Amino acid sequence: DAGVIQSPRHEVTEMGQEVTLRCKPISGHNSLFWYRQTMMRGLELLIYFNNNVPIDDSGMPEDRFSAKMPNASFSTLKIQPSEPRDSAVYFCASSQQGVNQPQHFGDGTRLSIL
Amino acid sequence: RKEVEQDPGPFNVPEGATVAFNCTYSNSASQSFFWYRQDCRKEPKLLMSVYSSGNEDGRFTAQLNRASQYISLLIRDSKLSDSATYLCVVNMYTGRRALTFGSGTRLQVQP
Repeated sequence: DAGVIQSPRHEVTEMGQEVTLRCKPISGHNSLFWYRQTMMRGLELLIYFNNNVPIDDSGMPEDRFSAKMPNASFSTLKIQPSEPRDSAVYFCASSQQGVNQPQHFGDGTRLSIL
Repeated sequence: RKEVEQDPGPFNVPEGATVAFNCTYSNSASQSFFWYRQDCRKEPKLLMSVYSSGNEDGRFTAQLNRASQYISLLIRDSKLSDSATYLCVVNMYTGRRALTFGSGTRLQVQP
């Protein structure tokens, strides 16, 4: 079975550029989560969707971050404009039936903003 | 107080040793508990769910103590391949209504 698929695996770009991260959840999972992980702050939940609807985006750092889920099989996390402090590993995860179920993570996108 | 708190370690143990980690959580109404494992530069992977009565999966045993608000993970007969960071995960049932990850406990099993 295909797991959660994220792209790109690595992204290096200059500050001020727009960055778009992509995620395809496991088929049949109706909850999708975006996380950011750094050494200093650990794993932080940015936003999560249930049935394609954003449920909680209180973890989104600021207006430069936005996330969409246009359908059950695709989500994007966009940073515009990007800043060096956005450098981190961004994980997407999905689960069945909401937050009580264990989440399955993608391989992550390693983002470096120069 | 952090919502989910873990000793960061590292725990350095010899092969074959038994090691235990605890994780405390702040919300007494929390319902769901998990242990995840994360290898260096990899994604977190579900190790096991934690059930009220405690549960075992091979060399791994997880327990929940609701009265004291902690969960534990016991690893018996440690292998070199057990070296990783172990993340405690709790459904906090706060306004965010999502799983909260602890910062992890690092285990290093030595030959």
